[in-house]
Amino acid sequence: AQSVTQLGSHVSVSEGALVLLRCNYSSSVPPYLFWYVQYPNQGLQLLLKYTSAATLVKGINGFEAEFKKSETSFHLTKPSAHMSDAAEYFCAVSDNAGNNRKLIWGLGTSLAVNP
Amino acid sequence: SAVISQKPSRDICQRGTSLTIQCQVDSQVTMMFWYRQQPGQSLTLIATANQGSEATYESGFVIDKFPISRPNLTFSTLTVSNMSPEDSSIYLCSVGQAQETQYFGPGTRLLVL
Repeated sequence: AQSVTQLGSHVSVSEGALVLLRCNYSSSVPPYLFWYVQYPNQGLQLLLKYTSAATLVKGINGFEAEFKKSETSFHLTKPSAHMSDAAEYFCAVSDNAGNNRKLIWGLGTSLAVNP
Repeated sequence: SAVISQKPSRDICQRGTSLTIQCQVDSQVTMMFWYRQQPGQSLTLIATANQGSEATYESGFVIDKFPISRPNLTFSTLTVSNMSPEDSSIYLCSVGQAQETQYFGPGTRLLVL
């Protein structure tokens, strides 16, 4: 069965520092992988997605993620954190086989950015 | 992309009552989804709402507790019936193709006393 693990439910960085949010997945077939962001009192917004094209995926707001099959990882990074990046981040996986593809969600990582 | 609105944005309800949440999309979409986001937990899919047919419920969710309507391609409702404090959660409507890239509404924050 597919699963998603986000290491660290809370991450705190200083403004201008590197952001690294970890996501590992398990899937029996090549997966689609997603990162979503949820700002306070808002719905989820797609940051980026991997769908078997380039392994390094660039998203909105300066975020990017790299698909590493050997490590079954899809970690999210941003070189320099901004105060506005403070939010909840969710990793999700969907296998690309069959007609009943579903998204499996991680528990989320809350990112705090300190001035 | 799609713009999705939900009503109400939040509510406080008494146990035993029911609440209907509305989801409106600014364009016609085939598939609409209802999620629950409980505090400290992951998003959980409740059901997929398809126009012209009954909703498809995920394991652990039943129509009697969460009846869903989908009268047209831009609108859906989710009712949380006979509520208990355990139903306190954020309920999210989303649209997308085969559950891949999803566009979410702002959510309905429900507190059951």
